Amino acid sequence: NAGVTQTPKFQVLKTGQSMTLQCAQDMNHEYMSWYRQDPGMGLRLIHYSVGAGITDQGEVPNGYNVSRSTTEDFPLRLLSAAPSQTSVYFCASSYDDSSSYEQYFGPGTRLTVT
Amino acid sequence: GQSLEQPSEVTAVEGAIVQINCTYQTSGFYGLSWYQQHDGGAPTFLSYNALDGLEETGRFSSFLSRSDSYGYLLLQELQMKDSASYFCAVGRRAGNMLTFGGGTRLMVKP
Repeated sequence: NAGVTQTPKFQVLKTGQSMTLQCAQDMNHEYMSWYRQDPGMGLRLIHYSVGAGITDQGEVPNGYNVSRSTTEDFPLRLLSAAPSQTSVYFCASSYDDSSSYEQYFGPGTRLTVT
Repeated sequence: GQSLEQPSEVTAVEGAIVQINCTYQTSGFYGLSWYQQHDGGAPTFLSYNALDGLEETGRFSSFLSRSDSYGYLLLQELQMKDSASYFCAVGRRAGNMLTFGGGTRLMVKP
């Protein structure tokens, strides 16, 4: 199993550009989520999905869109990049039941917006 | 709202024991998780407490008191490789929809 994979690893955008961060998992997990981590801080939940076709907002959803057309993939779209979106973005997945507590994180995408 | 408080930095020597505390104020509490993150890496799961008490996994233990909204991570027999950031996180569904604390940077010295 590859686990959770993210592409790209690094990205530089200009203000106003849009792009999609890719996330995929091969563990058949129902739950997937996107977090951002600013330097020296904890992770903040952007959006999450409890299954294909179902998404919802987290703590900091503004400026981001998500979709979940398959169990495996959960892309994050930046609509119009702003310098405040400079951050490290992590995708995570887990089973969505009361007996599973562990979230598996991807390696992250380091995004700089100039 | 949700808030979690943990110390920003802890220093300890190799072979020692260190405790990292976490206090929280949240709605919809399902349990307290702990994650480890090395510089430049992704968070990795360490432990989860849904009920009061101590959970032990090798050199690491985690404790929860729901009545006090308090938990801690205990690391024993510290090794240099334990130098990392440690995050407590509250789950608003069973184990997911996590709200993270700001993290505690642990430095282990020889």
